[in-house]
Amino acid sequence: GAGVSQTPSNKVTEKGKYVELRCDPISGHTALYWYRQSLGQGPEFLIYFQGTGAADDSGLPNDRFFAVRPEGSVSTLKIQRTERGDSAMYLCASSLGILGEQFFGPGTRLTVL
Amino acid sequence: AQSVAQPEDQVNVAEGNPLTVKCTYSVSGNPYLFWYVQYPNRGLQFLLKYITGDNLVKGSYGFEAEFNKSQTSFHLKKPSALVSDSALYFCAVRDSNSGNTPLVFGKGTRLSVIA
Repeated sequence: GAGVSQTPSNKVTEKGKYVELRCDPISGHTALYWYRQSLGQGPEFLIYFQGTGAADDSGLPNDRFFAVRPEGSVSTLKIQRTERGDSAMYLCASSLGILGEQFFGPGTRLTVL
Repeated sequence: AQSVAQPEDQVNVAEGNPLTVKCTYSVSGNPYLFWYVQYPNRGLQFLLKYITGDNLVKGSYGFEAEFNKSQTSFHLKKPSALVSDSALYFCAVRDSNSGNTPLVFGKGTRLSVIA
């Protein structure tokens, strides 16, 4: 079956702009996660959804970052007033439940100029 | 708070030799432990996990890992390395006693298998 997909694969934007990153999880997976991975580092947790609600958003770095999952499937990570420090690989993952292994998408590489 | 340490940034091994990628963890309760592999320009792929039961866990592509509670370790192993195993490997942990906590990843270990 289809895995987790993320679009776009690459996004280049200018400082101060708004961006949206999309994640399509594996069908039937109720849990969805967003991570950020900087060069030479492991993925860092941003936010986790169980169904439509954000069960844990403690990893979001500040209020410029927001994510939604309105119908419990596709999720969008939104970043306002982007800064150069936001440049990273943004990874999405989904799992059947909180204890299941997480299946990762290929990521969106965000570059803020 | 939970944490993971991967003490080696890089591991080099000759093809056909056994390989070990080290991981130690810290949690307040019982750990759920995972290994993932990342190939260039690809997402992370799940290799194996330890939740409970046998300390030796077998996973994809011939990899295995041994959970050692007294040493708080979960080292990844393979008896005979392949050049195609060259990639970035991540260990991750969740604390089973802390509700729905997210995975915490180590910083990764780059494995290079030389023909």
